[in-house]
Parts: sequence; structure tokens; C-alpha cells
Amino acid sequence: QVQLQESGPGLVKPSQTLSLTCTVSGVSISRGSFQWDWIRQPAGKGLEWIGRTHISGDTYYNPSLKSRVTISVDTSKNQFSLKLTSVTAADTAIYYCVAERDAGNRYWGQGTLVTASS
Amino acid sequence: QTVVTQEPSFSVSPGGTITLTCGLRFGSVSTSDFPSWYQQTPGQAPHTLIYNTNSRSSGVPDRFSGSIVGNKAALTITGAQADDDSDYHCALYMGGGIWVFGGGTKVTVL
Repeated sequence: QVQLQESGPGLVKPSQTLSLTCTVSGVSISRGSFQWDWIRQPAGKGLEWIGRTHISGDTYYNPSLKSRVTISVDTSKNQFSLKLTSVTAADTAIYYCVAERDAGNRYWGQGTLVTASS
Repeated sequence: QTVVTQEPSFSVSPGGTITLTCGLRFGSVSTSDFPSWYQQTPGQAPHTLIYNTNSRSSGVPDRFSGSIVGNKAALTITGAQADDDSDYHCALYMGGGIWVFGGGTKVTVL
């Protein structure tokens, strides 16, 4: 059973870069069985798909965030990561790392709250 | 503007049946959009109920079912129980590797 755990700073200053890491257990990222997503949820609102990567190198981003987002994989640590530049208060949200396969079958991390504030 | 549309809220009596929908602001939903459904209780991460239109994720009871109804994806809950009181999110594949979520539906069982 795949398990995911987000880690990273819970507070980021406006205009700075948000950086999160997801540690995967139960499956090797190198195996290529899953796509690896980042999804976020502002307080009291719906889910927003940020982007995804795969061991093949294929990476896709939400067009509304594309200019600020980078998602990458570190197979040596069985981790994948998210970087979001130039954050504002609108980026305050719970960030989930997610493993996806079979067209929408998603396994979710517990989520981590990131607040953009000075 | 929300591209993927869901009802903001719904209520159902215990034991009743409810059908939530997931549509596109412009166009129709088909199986090629791979509609998926996620349940989320307050303070918890979502978990997958239905993927690829009508496939039930592991451990999901068969009173949850997915389908296409008219021009929308649908999630039907048959025999609603108290612990179905949750938010329900749908997601659609837009092509080009892109997924979009709807705004979510808050279901109240009372």
C-alpha cells in the first residue's frame, strides 16, 4: 500500500518560494506505476490540481500556475517535490501530495498547511 | 469561473438515495474525461471513492456508484448513512496531462 508524507516549512513570506517534499513508502517511484501529483486546498474551498510528474520525465502543470511551479523527482530518496515561486496570500492552503494511477485512483498524503504571511 | 461544475450542497435522509453531478461549463462529460470522485470529512484528507467513471476504489462499499447521466458524470449514494455526511469532490481529465477539480458538494445527512 503506497503511503505519502509531506514535509516542509509551514510559513513562507510573500514573494518567496514555497518548497515541499513528499516522501513515498510502500512503492518505488522508479517502478513507474504511479503518476505523482500535488493538489492544494485553501481553507473552506475546493481542491485545486497543481501539477504532476512521472519517472518518465513527463511533467504537467495547471496553466494558471505554470509560470511559478516546478515539480521534480528524486529517485535516490524515493521523494518528489514542489516549488512555487513568488507566493502571495492566495497561495495559503493545505498542500497534498498524491499518487495516482488507473485514471483518477488517487492515494493521498495527510496534507500540510502552508501559510504565506510576513 | 469554474470550468467543472458541482452542486454546492445537497441533503438526504438516512436510508435515502442521492445523485451528485459533475459537469462542464461548456460541453458534455464523457468517459474520455475519466471522471473521478473523492470523499472528504472535515479535517481529513480526501480519499478516492470512484475513478475512471465507475470503478470503485479498494474498500469502498457498493452503495457508492459512478455513471454518466445525460451530459454529466454522476455519483449515486444508495442507502445514505450518517457517516456519508461529507464533502464530495469530482475531477475531470482535460487532456494534455491536465486535471481539473470541481468546487465540491457538501452533503448533509439528516
